Amino acid sequence: EDQVTQSPEALRLQEGESSSLNCSYTVSGLRGLFWYRQDPGKGPEFLFTLYSAGEEKEKERLKATLTKKESFLHITAPKPEDSATYLCAAPHPLRTGGYNKLIFGAGTRLAVHP
Amino acid sequence: DAGITQSPRHKVTETGTPVTLRCHQTENHRYMYWYRQDPGHGLRLIHYSYGVKDTDKGEVSDGYSVSRSKTEDFLLTLESATSSQTSVYFCASFPGETEDEQYFGPGTRLTVT
Repeated sequence: EDQVTQSPEALRLQEGESSSLNCSYTVSGLRGLFWYRQDPGKGPEFLFTLYSAGEEKEKERLKATLTKKESFLHITAPKPEDSATYLCAAPHPLRTGGYNKLIFGAGTRLAVHP
Repeated sequence: DAGITQSPRHKVTETGTPVTLRCHQTENHRYMYWYRQDPGHGLRLIHYSYGVKDTDKGEVSDGYSVSRSKTEDFLLTLESATSSQTSVYFCASFPGETEDEQYFGPGTRLTVT
């Protein structure tokens, strides 16, 4: 079954305490892996797309990496404003015609305390 | 900001009543999507559209219908709302050309009593 699974479900960090979020997938023929950030009461906001194993992308304190089975979102020296739910998603393997049906994980709720 | 708006932002309705949620985008994106988000389930696709008047079902389409008469508007209708349809609904759009990411609206919180 094509699935995207995120762990942990929730993570509490002290400001400056680096950590990683995990996204594992069993989607066959992976065509991309997306990371989104979602703040309470808002829609998901795009962060990164990774296309191949070994690829890395960075944005401020965030770095996303991809292997053949999972992706990590590394958060270096987080600040309270990094508190949010982080979602990962993969395109459905039956993607045709140029549209992009995504399979989302349930997300990791990150809380960074001062 | 992909310029996606949703209306209404909040709605409370009674079981058995019809409800229509509207998504409007100003980016001329070809593809549009409706998702629902529930605790522990993440985002689940309800219906999507790959062009004007072209729509198809997602993984949780039972009890929902959609219509797209213009590129910029994608409507989601609950013909007879049930309590299980209490959720937060997100619309998204996707240009389908050089970019791969979907852009999301702010969401509609629907409560069915």
